[in-house]
Amino acid sequence: DAGVIQSPRHEVTEMGQEVTLRCKPISGHNSLFWYRQTMMRGLELLIYFNNNVPIDDSGMPEDRFSAKMPNASFSTLKIQPSEPRDSAVYFCASSLTQGRFEQFFGPGTRLTVL
Amino acid sequence: SQQGEEDPQALSIQEGENATMNCSYKTSINNLQWYRQNSGRGLVHLILIRSNEREKHSGRLRVTLDTSKKSSSLLITASRAADTASYFCATEEYGNKLVFGAGTILRVKS
Repeated sequence: DAGVIQSPRHEVTEMGQEVTLRCKPISGHNSLFWYRQTMMRGLELLIYFNNNVPIDDSGMPEDRFSAKMPNASFSTLKIQPSEPRDSAVYFCASSLTQGRFEQFFGPGTRLTVL
Repeated sequence: SQQGEEDPQALSIQEGENATMNCSYKTSINNLQWYRQNSGRGLVHLILIRSNEREKHSGRLRVTLDTSKKSSSLLITASRAADTASYFCATEEYGNKLVFGAGTILRVKS
């Protein structure tokens, strides 16, 4: 199994630009999570999906952030417009909804907004 | 919001020594998990302990859970340089949503 796949691995953009982060979960997993990690705030859950349906988006910082999961094998996290304070590492993780509940993390996308 | 709080924030030991990290949390949980993160990488699941379990072992890892004190500890025995990483506890509050602590940075010197 290839594990959770994220793209791009690194993104450098200018303030005001739209940024789209992509995630392919592990096949057969039906829960998907988006996290943001910074030195100041640690690892924060932004949103998670069960069976492609958003369950809890209370961690999404503001309306500039949106996430979609059009099918079981793909999700996007979009920031529009981006701001320097959005600079962070964004992780996608997937898990089985039932059973052991361990989450499998992707390698992350390091976002730098200038 | 952070549920688990790890202690210490950083730990430096010699190879071969044991490393102990502690985690405290605030609310009732279904399970508690420990993850490791190597520099520049994603988190890797180490071990899960359910709320009705008190101790669990996996290789050189030993995890304890005290629900009355809302605390857990992770013991790594006979540490190796390759154990150098950040370690996070995470609590499952409901469904399968995890809340992560701030982490302990472990450095194992060879």
